[in-house]
Amino acid sequence: TQLLEQSPQFLSIQEGENLTVYCNSSSVFSSLQWYRQEPGEGPVLLVTVVTGGEVKKLKRLTFQFGDARKDSSLHITAAQPGDTGLYLCAGVENTGKLIFGQGTTLQVKP
Amino acid sequence: SQTIHQWPATLVQPVGSPLSLECTVEGTSNPNLYWYRQAAGRGLQLLFYSVGIGQISSEVPQNLSASRPQDRQFILSSKKLLLSDSGFYLCAWGTSWGKLLFGSGTQLSVL
Repeated sequence: TQLLEQSPQFLSIQEGENLTVYCNSSSVFSSLQWYRQEPGEGPVLLVTVVTGGEVKKLKRLTFQFGDARKDSSLHITAAQPGDTGLYLCAGVENTGKLIFGQGTTLQVKP
Repeated sequence: SQTIHQWPATLVQPVGSPLSLECTVEGTSNPNLYWYRQAAGRGLQLLFYSVGIGQISSEVPQNLSASRPQDRQFILSSKKLLLSDSGFYLCAWGTSWGKLLFGSGTQLSVL
């Protein structure tokens, strides 16, 4: 089973700051997904990146898939308190099985 | 529309008691269904997945079992709960291209 290392595990920043969350693996995935989860709820899919080097933007969130399809990053510009939550990356194996990272808890203070 | 329902939202059970969590989906047929467990603020551990009625695959040995009595129904069970079974349980439906639609989760506390 492939593993996904997600970092940092916890991040506490002030409103307006920028941040980057990393998701790394030694193995190749067919695609990679990013989810956001609020306490007491299920994760919600934010984006799927499929092509090596692909960059997708979702308002202030920028997602990038590494050229070798082994890693990904999530960059948030000018973070807001509403961005607070648990961010999870998930690599999709060729079998369709998802492998989740351990998650990054983001706290944005007003 | 496509929806997934999971209940109950919270559950407090004594050690040694049985467990039954239910998940149903609407708006699709023959879905791939999954049960995950999540420790607080952490990633998801896949427990079981099912590609069809009566077809269950277990990812890790444990005190739990799963069943799929109907196409759009997935049940997580235990005959005797352990303290270590406490956690946040999530049912998910695999839509196209491996994307998961999650239920709202069940917070299980075993005391």
